[in-house]
Amino acid sequence: AQTVTQSQPEMSVQEAETVTLSCTYDTSENNYYLFWYKQPPSRQMILVIRQEAYKQQNATENRFSVNFQKAAKSFSLKISDSQLGDTAMYFCAFIRGATNKLIFGTGTLLAVQP
Amino acid sequence: DGGITQSPKYLFRKEGQNVTLSCEQNLNHDAMYWYRQDPGQGLRLIYYSQIVNDFQKGDIAEGYSVSREKKESFPLTVTSAQKNPTAFYLCASSPDFRSYNEQFFGPGTRLTVL
Repeated sequence: AQTVTQSQPEMSVQEAETVTLSCTYDTSENNYYLFWYKQPPSRQMILVIRQEAYKQQNATENRFSVNFQKAAKSFSLKISDSQLGDTAMYFCAFIRGATNKLIFGTGTLLAVQP
Repeated sequence: DGGITQSPKYLFRKEGQNVTLSCEQNLNHDAMYWYRQDPGQGLRLIYYSQIVNDFQKGDIAEGYSVSREKKESFPLTVTSAQKNPTAFYLCASSPDFRSYNEQFFGPGTRLTVL
């Protein structure tokens, strides 16, 4: 069975600092996709970043970047220059190759402090 | 504006009653999904539909039913057989069921059983 583990239930960071959220996953598949979704207090789920497993280059979207370690099955999210609007629950999610069925981790609640 | 709408935002139900949650999208997406979110458990897939007049059970389908008579609509019925229906329900859609497609989420419905 595929699983996604986020071991940090809550984290806090000062505004303008950098923070890294951890995610590990377990799969026997070779072709899959990984995602980070953000859920702010409004509860609207928003895609932050996406990584294809066959790509060795780490994905980057403005202040958000990932550290994808395929052998270690690790997919961490780095947020640089943290802003108050980054305060949200962050979910790591996984899709195996043939389908679009997302499997979510339990989330990390990030609080950005002024 | 294109997007996904869910109604109502808050829903209260008495025990033993069936209730239907609405999900509409005007993105012309083929695939649609229903997720349940509980505190500390992330999102779990209830049902999904790859195309009109087709749908499949997800990981926690017991006590729920769906229909997909129109491309833009994917209503979810929470039946009296669902033992613990109080939760936050999210609807999503994607262009099709291929795994690299981003899922776009609606704003959610909070269901409370009284």
